[in-house]
Amino acid sequence: EAGVAQSPRYKIIEKRQSVAFWCNPISGHATLYWYQQILGQGPKLLIQFQNNGVVDDSQLPKDRFSAERLKGVDSTLKIQPAKLEDSAVYLCASSFQGIDTQYFGPGTRLTVL
Amino acid sequence: GQQVMQIPQYQHVQEGEDFTTYCNSSTTLSNIQWYKQRPGGHPVFLIQLVKSGEVKKQKRLTFQFGEAKKNSSLHITATQTTDVGTYFCAGPGPGSARQLTFGSGTQLTVLP
Repeated sequence: EAGVAQSPRYKIIEKRQSVAFWCNPISGHATLYWYQQILGQGPKLLIQFQNNGVVDDSQLPKDRFSAERLKGVDSTLKIQPAKLEDSAVYLCASSFQGIDTQYFGPGTRLTVL
Repeated sequence: GQQVMQIPQYQHVQEGEDFTTYCNSSTTLSNIQWYKQRPGGHPVFLIQLVKSGEVKKQKRLTFQFGEAKKNSSLHITATQTTDVGTYFCAGPGPGSARQLTFGSGTQLTVLP
């Protein structure tokens, strides 16, 4: 069974630039999550999708972050414009509907200069 | 909101020594999950505990869920260098969305 795919794996940008991350969850997983993990901390949930609908985006900085999952499969997370404090690893995870266990992708390490 | 705290933040042990990390939630949890993240890697699911007082074992790893379902522990017997990584506990929130709140993790270093 293929795991959660993410790209790119690494991204370096300057502040005020835009960046987008892509995630492809495990086949059949209805729930998709985007997390931000700052060095030395646990993952912090940014947004949760159930199929193509948003379940929770209470911790998403909506003035600069946006995410979509148009067809209920792949998802993109965008930051526009980026700030220095956005430097982190962005993890995508998915889970089978109704099951709590989450499967994480390899993450995208973002460095904002 | 729900808070999940872990101690210690860092632990260095000599190979062969035991290791324990503790997790405490500000709210009662329906279940608790443990994940392991290797250096440079992503969190990988280890186990889920559901019942009050539940104890589960995976080879040298022993997981325990407290009676009040607000705390948990992970104990590793006779650590090996392959145990290196950060161990996170995570608990679902009370809402229907059941999003996980992760602890800050315990970073384990095993010295050969």
